[in-house]
Amino acid sequence: QVQLVESGGGVVQPGTSLRLSCAASGFTFSTYAVHWVRQAPGKGLEWVALISYDGSNKYYADSVKGRFTISRDNSKNTLYLQMNSLRAEDTAVYYCARDRFRYSYGDAFDIWGQGTMVTVSS
Amino acid sequence: EIVMTQSPATLSVSPGERATLSCRASQSVSSNLAWYQQKPGQAPRLLIYGASTRATGIPARFSGSGSGTEFTLTISSLQSEDFAVYYCQHYYNWPYTFGQGTKLQIK
Repeated sequence: QVQLVESGGGVVQPGTSLRLSCAASGFTFSTYAVHWVRQAPGKGLEWVALISYDGSNKYYADSVKGRFTISRDNSKNTLYLQMNSLRAEDTAVYYCARDRFRYSYGDAFDIWGQGTMVTVSS
Repeated sequence: EIVMTQSPATLSVSPGERATLSCRASQSVSSNLAWYQQKPGQAPRLLIYGASTRATGIPARFSGSGSGTEFTLTISSLQSEDFAVYYCQHYYNWPYTFGQGTKLQIK
C-alpha cells in the first residue's frame, strides 16, 4: 500500500548533526513533491521543508534555514533531512508527508509517515 | 508569514451532535486551506483540501467551507472515533503554516 516510513531519529547533543530518512513505497515517488513537518512534544505542527519531485526546488522554514538540508534519491525512493547545528528547540517528532500534486507542489499533504523522534539534549 | 488562528482551543460535544470548528487566516489564502485530524500517537490525516473537498475515504459527515480568511470544518453527527485534535493549514505561499489546533473532546 501507499506509505512513507521515517527512520534515523534519536538522542543527540546540542550542536551535533543527524540525518533522517523517509522511505516511500506503493506509489511513484519520483513524481511527487515531499515535505518534512515536525511536532514538538505536546505542541502543534510546524512545516519544515519541501523538495520538488525532481529535487530542483527546495524551500525551508526560517527556523531551520541554513542548518537543515532536504534532499532526495529517486532511484532509492527515499527522502532525507540533514540536520546540522541542532538545538534543544529542534526536539520534535519529524514526519515526512507527500504533496497531493503530481509533477508540481503547492497543495495539501495527503500521505504521512508515522514519524521519527529527535531529542536534542545535553 | 500568514498566521492561522483556530477557535475554540477545546470543544466539548456529545456523540451524535454537530461540531463546528473555525479557522481564520491573517490574510487571504483563497481556497488553499486543508484540515487534518490527529489522534494521540498517530500522524495527522488529511480530511479536507481546497477548503471544501473531502480527501479520499473521508466520511460525508465531514464538510469544509469558507474562502479568503474565514474557514469552517463541520462534523455533522459525531462518532466516537472523531474525538481528536484538528488542525487547519494554508498552502497559499511559503512558509506553509498550521493553526494551533482544536481539541474535540467528549462532553
